[in-house]
Amino acid sequence: GEDVEQSLFLSVREGDSSVINCTYTDSSSTYLYWYKQEPGAGLQLLTYIFSNMDMKQDQRLTVLLNKKDKHLSLRIADTQTGDSAIYFCAETLYNQGGKLIFGQGTELSVKP
Amino acid sequence: DTAVSQTPKYLVTQMGNDKSIKCEQNLGHDTMYWYKQDSKKFLKIMFSYNNKELIINETVPNRFSPKSPDKAHLNLHINSLELGDSAVYFCASSPRTGAFNEKLFFGSGTQLSVL
Repeated sequence: GEDVEQSLFLSVREGDSSVINCTYTDSSSTYLYWYKQEPGAGLQLLTYIFSNMDMKQDQRLTVLLNKKDKHLSLRIADTQTGDSAIYFCAETLYNQGGKLIFGQGTELSVKP
Repeated sequence: DTAVSQTPKYLVTQMGNDKSIKCEQNLGHDTMYWYKQDSKKFLKIMFSYNNKELIINETVPNRFSPKSPDKAHLNLHINSLELGDSAVYFCASSPRTGAFNEKLFFGSGTQLSVL
């Protein structure tokens, strides 16, 4: 199947770490992505990970991939109010010509 | 210097009308897309073009017709608009490196409201 699932909401306090989780079902995933959507704007690519890696770090962002459990997470360290947005997990499917499938998005709310 | 620009940003129209949304990218990318985002923020691909050639055509009503006059432009024409067409439509482009690494660059969206 092509399902990518995420929890819909997450609320954290400014300065805390945020962890946004995602599960996917298709084992032919090649790349997995995190996109950020701010209100009234399009999606912006934050980071991505190749399916043969298990971790990638980029400044305040850490991506963890557990391929056995088909679980992807995005950790944002020292979360700021400007990080409030919707975060989408996505995967490209090798057996469908690289079609990109999105999760339903997690709305992150950062309280001061 | 907007990389992916789409117009109009807002479109309010009556049921039964025909409307078009235009998209242009200045990134030199080969591949362009149309996505539909519903009121629950769910994002679903509609069409994909690579160098003016249609490569993905999801189960979209044939009232929706994409047109790509060149690889920098992908327009979306919608005939006989229905209430259920109300959504935000996003255009996107990608370099299509061929390694299945689809880094998409999105436009800011067109909010379509059908009354």
